[in-house]
Amino acid sequence: DGGITQSPKYLFRKEGQNVTLSCEQNLNHDAMYWYRQDPGQGLRLIYYSQIVNDFQKGDIAEGYSVSREKKESFPLTVTSAQKNPTAFYLCASSMGYGGARRNTEAFFGQGTRLTVV
Amino acid sequence: EDKVVQSPLSLVVHEGDTVTLNCSYEVTNFRSLLWYKQEKKAPTFLFMLTSSGIEKKSGRLSSILDKKELFSILNITATQTGDSAIYLCAVKGGGSEKLVFGKGTKLTVNP
Repeated sequence: DGGITQSPKYLFRKEGQNVTLSCEQNLNHDAMYWYRQDPGQGLRLIYYSQIVNDFQKGDIAEGYSVSREKKESFPLTVTSAQKNPTAFYLCASSMGYGGARRNTEAFFGQGTRLTVV
Repeated sequence: EDKVVQSPLSLVVHEGDTVTLNCSYEVTNFRSLLWYKQEKKAPTFLFMLTSSGIEKKSGRLSSILDKKELFSILNITATQTGDSAIYLCAVKGGGSEKLVFGKGTKLTVNP
C-alpha cells in the first residue's frame, strides 16, 4: 500500500541525547515536511524539502536537523540543543515541485510521540 | 512571514447544530488554501481551494475562499458526534512548497 510511514510511534529520550525520527514514503512525492504539534499550538513547521538533496528551515528549526539523501526518506534528528523536545512529531509529503503539480494536498504519517525523561 | 489565524480556537455544540470555522491568512503569492480534519493522529485532507467564490462541497461539509479579504470558511451542517475533531487550515504560497498551518479549531459535538 502507498503511504507515509513514521517510526517509532513512541520514543523516550534522556536529556542531552540526540534522537532520530524516521519518515519514509512510497508515493513518489518530491516534497516532504516535518511538523511539531503541542497542545493548542496547531502544526508548526520545522523543516521542509522540495526535492532530493535540498531542504529549507521552517519556523522552528533551532535544535533540529534533517537530511534528504533519497527521495523516499526524510529523517529528523532532535538534538540536545532543542530546549523542549517533548511533543508529537508529524511527517508529511506532497507531489510538489514543478508546474501544475504544485497545487496538491499533503499526506501525513501517523506521527511519533517523543518524550524526554 | 506567512501567517494563518483560525477562529475560534475551540467550539462546543450540540448534535444537529451548524458551525462555521474561520481561517484568515497572510502569504506572499498565494497559491492554495487547504483544510484538514485531525481526529487522533494523522490529519486527513478535506478541501483545497485556489479560486475565490467557488464552493467546495462534500456531504455536510463545505468551504469557500475569498482571496480579496484573505479569508476562508469551513461550514459543517447537521453536526454529528463524529465531527468532533481539530480542524486545521493551511496555506501554500510563493515559489516554494512551504505549507504553513494555523493553530486549529477544536470542535466538540455533544449528543
